[in-house]
Amino acid sequence: DAGVTQSPTHLIKTRGQQVTLRCSPISGHKSVSWYQQVLGQGPQFIFQYYEKEERGRGNFPDRFSARQFPNYSSELNVNALLLGDSALYLCASSSKTSVGKDGYTFGSGTRLTVV
Amino acid sequence: GQQLNQSPQSMFIQEGEDVSMNCTSSSIFNTWLWYKQEPGEGPVLLIALYKAGELTSNGRLTAQFGITRKDSFLNISASIPSDVGIYFCAGRGTSYDKVIFGPGTSLSVIP
Repeated sequence: DAGVTQSPTHLIKTRGQQVTLRCSPISGHKSVSWYQQVLGQGPQFIFQYYEKEERGRGNFPDRFSARQFPNYSSELNVNALLLGDSALYLCASSSKTSVGKDGYTFGSGTRLTVV
Repeated sequence: GQQLNQSPQSMFIQEGEDVSMNCTSSSIFNTWLWYKQEPGEGPVLLIALYKAGELTSNGRLTAQFGITRKDSFLNISASIPSDVGIYFCAGRGTSYDKVIFGPGTSLSVIP
């Protein structure tokens, strides 16, 4: 079975540009969460979506937005990129909003570099 | 806001030694998770804990959910070189709370 898949794996953008990152959850999982991981730190929560609705939002500016599609895949958008947005962006999926016995599974992430 | 602290920040151990690391919080959590992350990869779930006092093993790994619900620990027995990586604890307050992560413990194993 395919795990959580994220695309692209690597991305280089210029300051001020916009970026869209994509995530496909594990088949049957309806919840997707997005995290930002700056080098040397733990993942920081950005958004959680369940059944296409936003269920949680972390302490990130409005430049960050996301959505979930009917097939439960998700996109994270970041506008007006700053150098500080350079990070590994991780997507995690779970079967519900709660963390069930199947855990909270992460993809390998998208490495975003802003120059 | 909710914050997790992990100790130690880093560890250098000899192959075959046992490892112990812990995670503390000022807030109560209903779920504790332990993840391992290797370079260039996303975190991989090692153990999930759902009840205060719960002790769960996964091979050479054992984790416990503290009875105060504000802490958890992870033990690794008889370490091997492939145990190298960064270990993160993560906690969740209620069903609808976000999962928050600690800063990680970096483990190096000397053959």
